[in-house]
Amino acid sequence: GENVEQHPSTLSVQEGDSAVIKCTYSDSASNYFPWYKQELGKGPQLIIDIRSNVGEKKDQRIAVTLNKTAKHFSLHITETQPEDSAVYFCAASRYMEYGNKLVFGAGTILRVKS
Amino acid sequence: NAGVTQTPKFRVLKTGQSMTLLCAQDMNHEYMYWYRQDPGMGLRLIHYSVGEGTTAKGEVPDGYNVSRLKKQNFLLGLESAAPSQTSVYFCASRPTGADTQYFGPGTRLTVL
Repeated sequence: GENVEQHPSTLSVQEGDSAVIKCTYSDSASNYFPWYKQELGKGPQLIIDIRSNVGEKKDQRIAVTLNKTAKHFSLHITETQPEDSAVYFCAASRYMEYGNKLVFGAGTILRVKS
Repeated sequence: NAGVTQTPKFRVLKTGQSMTLLCAQDMNHEYMYWYRQDPGMGLRLIHYSVGEGTTAKGEVPDGYNVSRLKKQNFLLGLESAAPSQTSVYFCASRPTGADTQYFGPGTRLTVL
């Protein structure tokens, strides 16, 4: 089955700097890669996603890149702000008989210091 | 439109007790999921449902049962709770034809 590894487990950056979180996946058939942000005491919320037919996607300060050959994808946050502090999860899935099933990475705690 | 709601928010059980966690969504989504979240392990799929009356096992189904008698509700049951089931439980739903899953706020369960 699919296995997703996420690094680093903790990341501290200064406000205004960039943050990069990386994930690798094992199943070459995976074709959907979402990123979720989880704030303290809340459920995960989708912030950006990418499909296997696209190499990069950007939404304001957030971007995701995908390298299918190497089976890794990354989240890039530019001009970080204190409100970006949260736990970030990557996930991978592929379509199966009963729809996609997400396999999550272990999460990255991002701390933005002001 | 409340989205995905979960009841209760917190619960403490003794080993061997039973309980049911309720997930409700008002978005008319076909698919519903139950995950557990443990430190350093991300979210792991327990059971899921592709529609009213249908359920299937996920990655870590042992010790749990589920039911989807109504489209808007997905129940997770623990028949005989064990300390290993101490976790935060999240429910999610998604519509047919879309990949995005929408998560509830979670239930923190402690089994003593």
